[in-house]
Amino acid sequence: GAVVSQHPSRVICKSGTSVKIECRSLDFQATTMFWYRQFPKQSLMLMATSNEGSKATYEQGVEKDKFLINHASLTLSTLTVTSAHPEDSSFYICSALARDQETQYFGPGTRLLVL
Amino acid sequence: KQEVTQIPAALSVPEGENLVLNCSFTDSAIYNLQWFRQDPGKGLTSLLLIQSSQREQTSGRLNASLDKSSGRSTLYIAASQPGDSATYLCAGGGSQGNLIFGKGTKLSVKP
Repeated sequence: GAVVSQHPSRVICKSGTSVKIECRSLDFQATTMFWYRQFPKQSLMLMATSNEGSKATYEQGVEKDKFLINHASLTLSTLTVTSAHPEDSSFYICSALARDQETQYFGPGTRLLVL
Repeated sequence: KQEVTQIPAALSVPEGENLVLNCSFTDSAIYNLQWFRQDPGKGLTSLLLIQSSQREQTSGRLNASLDKSSGRSTLYIAASQPGDSATYLCAGGGSQGNLIFGKGTKLSVKP
């Protein structure tokens, strides 16, 4: 089946720094990628939808200037958490969708801890 | 290793019918169990989250149950509507936030 990877799997950073998370579709072209966030004891929440070559669409309440999303190619999307703060500590997961397909494939997730 | 299975893979029902979607998991040391709705080409929508200490959660016409001892969860949809047509995913959650998803049940509610 299709594989989606995320890097890094875990990251610890100091408050105020920026962190970049990569999401790659390894064996298919992903025209759409989704970024989710999950806080402890809460459900996975969609942050933004990213289409290759266009600006990401952010869900209500998600700051686009803080969570920069780039989907520059059909196999790579990046999420940059700018000026990270402890409240940004969370589990970030991406998923990828091929053109004309309905099935999303999920990455394994990235655990971010901001100190 | 946690494995999540959903049955049936697809389901077609007439409008107004009550229905049950099934989810089973192999590792009872589950942290939580979540149900999602997936519409074609769109991101997941979280429906219900059941903590491991809970037995059920309700939201509107939806009711989800969790039986850790038997490794099962069900999603009950009452009075189904055409707008309920979507793929429904369940996911077993670990304490680190990792999610193991089932492959989903594709539901079609016909007018």
